Amino acid sequence: EIVMTQSPATLSVSPGERATLSCRASQSVSSRLAWYQQKPGQAPRLLIYGASTRATGIPARFSGSGSGTEFSLIISSLQSEDFAVYYCQQYHDWPPLTFGGGTKVEIK
Amino acid sequence: QVQLQESGPGLVKPSETLSLTCSVSGGSISSFYWSWIRQPPGKGLEWIGYIYYSGSTNYNPSLKTRVSISLDTSKNQLSLKLSSVTAADTAVYYCARDREYCSGGSCYKYFDSWGQGTLVTVSS
Repeated sequence: EIVMTQSPATLSVSPGERATLSCRASQSVSSRLAWYQQKPGQAPRLLIYGASTRATGIPARFSGSGSGTEFSLIISSLQSEDFAVYYCQQYHDWPPLTFGGGTKVEIK
Repeated sequence: QVQLQESGPGLVKPSETLSLTCSVSGGSISSFYWSWIRQPPGKGLEWIGYIYYSGSTNYNPSLKTRVSISLDTSKNQLSLKLSSVTAADTAVYYCARDREYCSGGSCYKYFDSWGQGTLVTVSS
């Protein structure tokens, strides 16, 4: 099973600032990685797939990069609606499909 | 825009079987994969398994002996059964459309539409 590790667990950022979230895979997943955003009481929402392709309707301030075992999700200028928990998910080797433990982006 | 809605009992007794249904509207269940994913309170996401519209399934090995996913294409619904539940199975259960495809030399598998989720508590 591929283990996904996200860091930091919590990221405190001021509105308008840049946020960089990290996701590391226990073995190479090529570019087979997705990112999701989850707000309290809501289902996750797909942000990025293929490590760097934004899903339909996702603002350009969200960008993904990386390949192999190291990945990043960058939010270029945090808006109030971006404070949430973010999860990465690998789909290179399954079953099982696996998620990271999440990074909570909170207001500084 | 496809919409998914989970339904089922919110309370299940230990050792019994958890049964949930996901109703899909705004699109056909055909030609897609459909997954169940769960999230214990305050914790992360765990993939349970998927079913393809053809009926083929694939489950998380950690749950494989207890889980069953089925489709009712006439009703545009999928179902989840998880047997011999314990308190560790308490979670919000989501159904999601599972996009699996290959294009331009790359292959993808991600969840692009989710239900709102339903909390199932296992307790006597």
